[in-house]
Amino acid sequence: NAGVTQTPKFRILKIGQSMTLQCTQDMNHNYMYWYRQDPGMGLKLIYYSVGAGITDKGEVPNGYNVSRSTTEDFPLRLELAAPSQTSVYFCASRSGPFQPQHFGDGTRLSIL
Amino acid sequence: GDSVTQMEGPVTLSEEAFLTINCTYTATGYPSLFWYVQYPGEGLQLLLKATKADDKGSNKGFEATYRKETTSFHLEKGSVQVSDSAVYFCALSPNTGNQFYFGTGTSLTVIP
Repeated sequence: NAGVTQTPKFRILKIGQSMTLQCTQDMNHNYMYWYRQDPGMGLKLIYYSVGAGITDKGEVPNGYNVSRSTTEDFPLRLELAAPSQTSVYFCASRSGPFQPQHFGDGTRLSIL
Repeated sequence: GDSVTQMEGPVTLSEEAFLTINCTYTATGYPSLFWYVQYPGEGLQLLLKATKADDKGSNKGFEATYRKETTSFHLEKGSVQVSDSAVYFCALSPNTGNQFYFGTGTSLTVIP
């Protein structure tokens, strides 16, 4: 059982480039989340989704976009990378309210 | 609104010392409560959970009791090991809405 899988694990981007961080889960969870974690800091919610076709903004959505066309996948798109987006990005999923979140191993992104 | 406040770190303990990390919450009704652990360079892992008042979650020697009267969910371990060195996050899932709230994390270092 793979759980939540994030790719790539590491990436270096130049300012202004675009990329998509992939997240897929095999637990048939309806709820999925994207967080960023800056060094030595806690988690900040970027976007979340409660099912295919439904997404909503979190605390820090600016500079990011998401889509949810299937239950399994929840990609995060950076359109114009900026140094302030250097961070570790975590994807998480859960089956529903009151349930714990399950996390991927993260994508470590540096923008230079 | 809903929130979680946890004890600031960093915390440094000697091996076999007693650990307490305080966590209090603000929420209406009866949220579910969780502790997560993050080892260096890894994602968050669920450590334990409690879903109703007076429940005690336990795992790997760690315990936390859901105290409705004091709105607390303090993490305890009787004898810490070097391998317990990590960052610990308290989290809350409200009984309404789709979000999930994390504390800021408490860094624990256990020295031999």
